[in-house]
Amino acid sequence: EVELVESGGGLVQPGGSLRLSCAASGFIFSSYAMGWVRQAPGKGLEWVSAISGRDGSTYYANSVKGRFTISRDNSKNTLFLQMNSLMAEDTALYYCARDIGREVDTGAMGVWGKGTTVTVSS
Amino acid sequence: QSALTQPVSVSGSPGQSITISCTGSSRDVGSYNLVSWYQHHPGKAPKLMIYEGTKRPSGVSNRFSGSRSGNTASLTVSGLQAEDEADYYCCSYAGSHTYVFGTGTKVTVL
Repeated sequence: EVELVESGGGLVQPGGSLRLSCAASGFIFSSYAMGWVRQAPGKGLEWVSAISGRDGSTYYANSVKGRFTISRDNSKNTLFLQMNSLMAEDTALYYCARDIGREVDTGAMGVWGKGTTVTVSS
Repeated sequence: QSALTQPVSVSGSPGQSITISCTGSSRDVGSYNLVSWYQHHPGKAPKLMIYEGTKRPSGVSNRFSGSRSGNTASLTVSGLQAEDEADYYCCSYAGSHTYVFGTGTKVTVL
């Protein structure tokens, strides 16, 4: 069964850091682009970042560029999101998602995890 | 990276058809036929319903269909059922290996 399980969320103070993980199973992880999508309380979905399955190239939304870093460990079938300089506006449910293709150019994510909650507050 | 515009809410009676619009720009929807649609029930993972504008993933009911005209994409749900009540989001490739989501639409089955 294809599955994505996020972990690493929690409560962090403004300016702090957090590292999210996403464990993948049931498919050839290295063959797909992967990404993170978040949903702030009461708000809609927001694309955050993605990483190519072909060459590991990384891409970011303007709102997180320079603060967040996406990476992947294909040997451990795991996706990561290192979040630094966190702000209250980063408070959200963070979903890990598998793209339908190997590159970040399809506009579609076919498999989603259930999410992990990040709360930025003092 | 401005969010695509969707109506806040759409409603219909069981058996009816509804259409949700998703308006972007020439930088995203208008330039790429790479719009996807997601059904999101609160507390659950979003589900891909349409990709590449018109294609349905395996297992998705043929009551769901997608289209595009200019800078606007649309999702039509025919034969509306109680289980279709959910939030729906469009998403488009926006160039430079980035994606942009729509503002979301709450569908209510009357």
